[in-house]
Amino acid sequence: EAGVVQSPRYKIIEKKQPVAFWCNPISGHNTLYWYRQNLGQGPELLIRYENEEAVDDSQLPKDRFSAERLKGVDSTLKIQPAELGDSAVYLCASSTGGLLYLDSGYTFGSGTRLTVV
Amino acid sequence: QKEVEQNSGPLSVPEGAIASLNCTYSDRGSQSFFWYRQYSGKSPELIMSIYSNGDKEDGRFTAQLNKASQYVSLLIRDSQPSDSATYLCAVNKKTGNQFYFGTGTSLTVIP
Repeated sequence: EAGVVQSPRYKIIEKKQPVAFWCNPISGHNTLYWYRQNLGQGPELLIRYENEEAVDDSQLPKDRFSAERLKGVDSTLKIQPAELGDSAVYLCASSTGGLLYLDSGYTFGSGTRLTVV
Repeated sequence: QKEVEQNSGPLSVPEGAIASLNCTYSDRGSQSFFWYRQYSGKSPELIMSIYSNGDKEDGRFTAQLNKASQYVSLLIRDSQPSDSATYLCAVNKKTGNQFYFGTGTSLTVIP
């Protein structure tokens, strides 16, 4: 079974440029998460989807960040324009949702390491 | 107050020793608790979950939960150099379907 697939693995952009990250969750996982992990910190939730609906985006900086999950499968996270402080690893995770997630936790993708210069 | 707090370390133990990692959480209503291991440059991987007070053992790993003290720990017996990584504690609150992560404890096992 393929795990959570993210692309690209690395991205270097100049500040004020746009950038997009893509995530394909594990087949059958209805819940998808985007996390940001700064160096030396734990992951912090940006947005959570239940199928195609964003049910928790309270931590998403909506002035520059946007996300979508069309058809409740793949998801894209976009930053426009990027700032120096956005340099971090962006992690996508998925779970089966409901009570099942309590035993399986999340499965994380390999992440996208963003460097804004 | 942070949702989840961990000692950032670094923690160093000799090979074969027991490594003890600790975590406290602020929401008394939290229901599920997880330990993730993260190697440098890699994404977190789940190693243990625990929901009930007491101990849960899986191979060389033992998770311990004390809800009264809002404390969860991870013991690694017979530590190996391959256990050298950052260990993240994650807590699921009663409300919401997301984990709150601690900042992680860096563990180094010295051969």
